[in-house]
Amino acid sequence: DTGVSQDPRHKITKRGQNVTFRCDPISEHNRLYWYRQTLGQGPEFLTYFQNEAQLEKSRLLSDRFSAERPKGSFSTLEIQRTEQGDSAMYLCASSLAATGELFFGEGSRLTVL
Amino acid sequence: KNEVEQSPQNLTAQEGEFITINCSYSVGISALHWLQQHPGGGIVSLFMLSSGKKKHGRLIATINIQEKHSSLHITASHPRDSAVYICAVIMYSGGGADGLTFGKGTHLIIQP
Repeated sequence: DTGVSQDPRHKITKRGQNVTFRCDPISEHNRLYWYRQTLGQGPEFLTYFQNEAQLEKSRLLSDRFSAERPKGSFSTLEIQRTEQGDSAMYLCASSLAATGELFFGEGSRLTVL
Repeated sequence: KNEVEQSPQNLTAQEGEFITINCSYSVGISALHWLQQHPGGGIVSLFMLSSGKKKHGRLIATINIQEKHSSLHITASHPRDSAVYICAVIMYSGGGADGLTFGKGTHLIIQP
């Protein structure tokens, strides 16, 4: 499968714990995006990378959130000291800067108890 | 702050009907996406457009940059078209910002 893959698909954790999500984009895509979606709402932009450079971060991304794309391929999104309000679907997408067409992963659903 | 408004929020129609979903936005954009999301979360990009009209099978997307408005049409609708359709825009900020701003989605149900 050459699509965007995310891991884990589901994560249940207790408040205060740290969680990390991984996204593997389509291999030749140089742009990678993270979004968050809560029930009944559209996705909200969190951050995006062009190659390994993090070019933009949303104000939604508090200091408990950090994202990396160390080699310009896969990316990780870490949430420290999780809160119940962090419960959401975390979506990753990738694209080629030249075309802009987005390809989404299936998402990682986080439940914070 | 750009706001992306979609209408209707919910739409139930009979199989075979012509469907229109609307999207309006408040500032200049460089491109607009129409996305489809099925239950369970998976999102598929249907169209990306910055002007005019695009067609793919039974789906047609149009955009009017001057009026800051886009429409997604589905001809000969089918129950498998039932999904949430999301409009998302890339704001033209001139500062390299590239994050998408999403509408809340239109929940479409096509009844057989």
